[in-house]
Amino acid sequence: AQTVTQSQPEMSVQEAETVTLSCTYDTSESDYYLFWYKQPPSRQMILVIRQEAYKQQNATENRFSVNFQKAAKSFSLKISDSQLGDAAMYFCAFAETSGSRLTFGEGTQLTVNP
Amino acid sequence: DAGVIQSPRHEVTEMGQEVTLRCKPISGHNSLFWYRQTMMRGLELLIYFNNNVPIDDSGMPEDRFSAKMPNASFSTLKIQPSEPRDSAVYFCASSPGAYNEQFFGPGTRLTVL
Repeated sequence: AQTVTQSQPEMSVQEAETVTLSCTYDTSESDYYLFWYKQPPSRQMILVIRQEAYKQQNATENRFSVNFQKAAKSFSLKISDSQLGDAAMYFCAFAETSGSRLTFGEGTQLTVNP
Repeated sequence: DAGVIQSPRHEVTEMGQEVTLRCKPISGHNSLFWYRQTMMRGLELLIYFNNNVPIDDSGMPEDRFSAKMPNASFSTLKIQPSEPRDSAVYFCASSPGAYNEQFFGPGTRLTVL
């Protein structure tokens, strides 16, 4: 079974600074999908960024980028120029194939200090 | 598009009562997922459907839980009888299949007294 581990229960960053959230996973599959979801206090789950395992290039979405290390089974999220609105719980998630279930990590609570 | 719609947003009930949670996926999406979020267990998949057919219900905790998807635009998750340990936020999500991106509804916060 796939597992996803987020070893940082809480992180904090100063506004305008950069922060990196860690995620590792375990799978025997060679092709899969990885995601970062954001859950603000409203509890709405919002997709931040996704990465297909077959793509070597790291995904980027505006201020959000990932460092995908397939051999190390690591998938970290970097948030640049942090904003107050980035404060939320961040979940790393894994999916084995297209259209299949998501397995979530435990989450990292990010605080952004003004 | 209105996104994934869930109702009710909040439900408070007493132990032993039947609870029905509802979900309307995004039009055109062919996969639908039910997740439960608790402090103790985090986010966990209960069941998912593909083209209205249940594919994996291994996450359904007990026979007290059942889910149906009678058509492409509606799904229900029923708990009968409910217990206090069922208190959680229940999310419905749908996916078009492509890129496996799942779109989540706002969730239903269930409290069983």
